[in-house]
Amino acid sequence: QVQLQESGPGLVKPSQTLSLTCTVSRGSISSGGYYWGWIRQHPGKGLECIGYIYNSGSTYYNPSLKSRLTISVDTSENQFSLRLKSVTAADTAVYYCVRLSDTAEFDPWGQGTLVTVSS
Amino acid sequence: DIQMTQSPSSLSASVGDRVTITCRASQTIRSYLNWYQQQPGKAPKLLIYAASSLQSGVPSRFSGSGSGTDFTLTISSLQPEDFATYYCQQGYTTPQTFGQGTKLEI
Repeated sequence: QVQLQESGPGLVKPSQTLSLTCTVSRGSISSGGYYWGWIRQHPGKGLECIGYIYNSGSTYYNPSLKSRLTISVDTSENQFSLRLKSVTAADTAVYYCVRLSDTAEFDPWGQGTLVTVSS
Repeated sequence: DIQMTQSPSSLSASVGDRVTITCRASQTIRSYLNWYQQQPGKAPKLLIYAASSLQSGVPSRFSGSGSGTDFTLTISSLQPEDFATYYCQQGYTTPQTFGQGTKLEI
């Protein structure tokens, strides 16, 4: 069963760049058939799809974040990454990495990592 | 964006009860509807995909139905571990969007 694990700083200063990496184990990003992406959950709130990437590098970004967002993939390391620039307190959330199937369900999910934007 | 509206937002029930949660889409999403369960402090877990297909390993007391704009998640006999928050999600078009959640409480 594929497993996902997020890593990265838990605290980011306002106006700086939030960077997270997701490491995929027990499966290969290169095998195809899936997108690899990010979802966030603001404290006590619902779920927001940030964006996702295919192993070829093809991406989808949520239009609400597109101007600040970069998602990249490193197939040699079996990892994909999120970079969100110019963060504000509104970007404080738990960030999950996920796999998205071609039938549009998110499974599995990483355990999630809380990122707080604060000076 | 397609808006997903769940009802109720919260629900009190007891072990052994039959519970139904409803999800309505702001436009047709055919059968591109998934359900997730989230325990406190944990990541969401996929329960049902394509409106009515049970994810592998999920107990058969969970079932889903519907198509178009109206969908339901039913738990036939609540178990203690089922008390959690449930989310629907549409996969018909981008951005994929989620309902606001239904908190199932004792």
